[in-house]
Amino acid sequence: AQSVSQHNHHVILSEAASLELGCNYSYGGTVNLFWYVQYPGQHLQLLLKYFSGDPLVKGIKGFEAEFIKSKFSFNLRKPSVQWSDTAEYFCAVTGGGSQGNLIFGKGTKLSVKP
Amino acid sequence: NAGVTQTPKFQVLKTGQSMTLQCAQDMNHEYMSWYRQDPGMGLRLIHYSVGAGITDQGEVPNGYNVSRSTTEDFPLRLLSAAPSQTSVYFCASSYSKGLGEYFGPGTRLTVT
Repeated sequence: AQSVSQHNHHVILSEAASLELGCNYSYGGTVNLFWYVQYPGQHLQLLLKYFSGDPLVKGIKGFEAEFIKSKFSFNLRKPSVQWSDTAEYFCAVTGGGSQGNLIFGKGTKLSVKP
Repeated sequence: NAGVTQTPKFQVLKTGQSMTLQCAQDMNHEYMSWYRQDPGMGLRLIHYSVGAGITDQGEVPNGYNVSRSTTEDFPLRLLSAAPSQTSVYFCASSYSKGLGEYFGPGTRLTVT
């Protein structure tokens, strides 16, 4: 069965620090990859997605992610975080391109200190 | 567009009671789904539908029923509520399976 691993349960950063959140998946075929963000008390919003093409994907709010097929990874990055980035971040994968259901990682909580 | 809407926002049930969580979308999306979110577990798929009249089970379907009589609506029914069903429930929709989903605001359900 497919699975998604997010390495960090809780990350604490100061404002202006750089961010990298790890995500690895287990599926050997074609995948669609996503990062979602959930601000406190709110629903999930799509940050960015990768289907094919350039493995470096830019999303909203200055976030980007890099798909490294050989490492089965799709890490999320932001060069300089803000207090408003405090949220929980979820990596998700569909195996078989658009054939599979969305499988979520357990999430990484990001706390940014002002 | 209102996007994906869910009602109610909060609900408290007693063990054994039944209820229906409502979900509607106005984006003409074919694919709709229900997830539950539990602390430290991420989101887990309960049921999904690829179009009106078609539903299928996800990862954690036990204790839940769904139907899809129209493109817009995808209600989730709890048949006999149990404390293990205490969770936050999110409905989501997309043009098609696997393309990334739009999520509703969620329903926080407590079963006592």
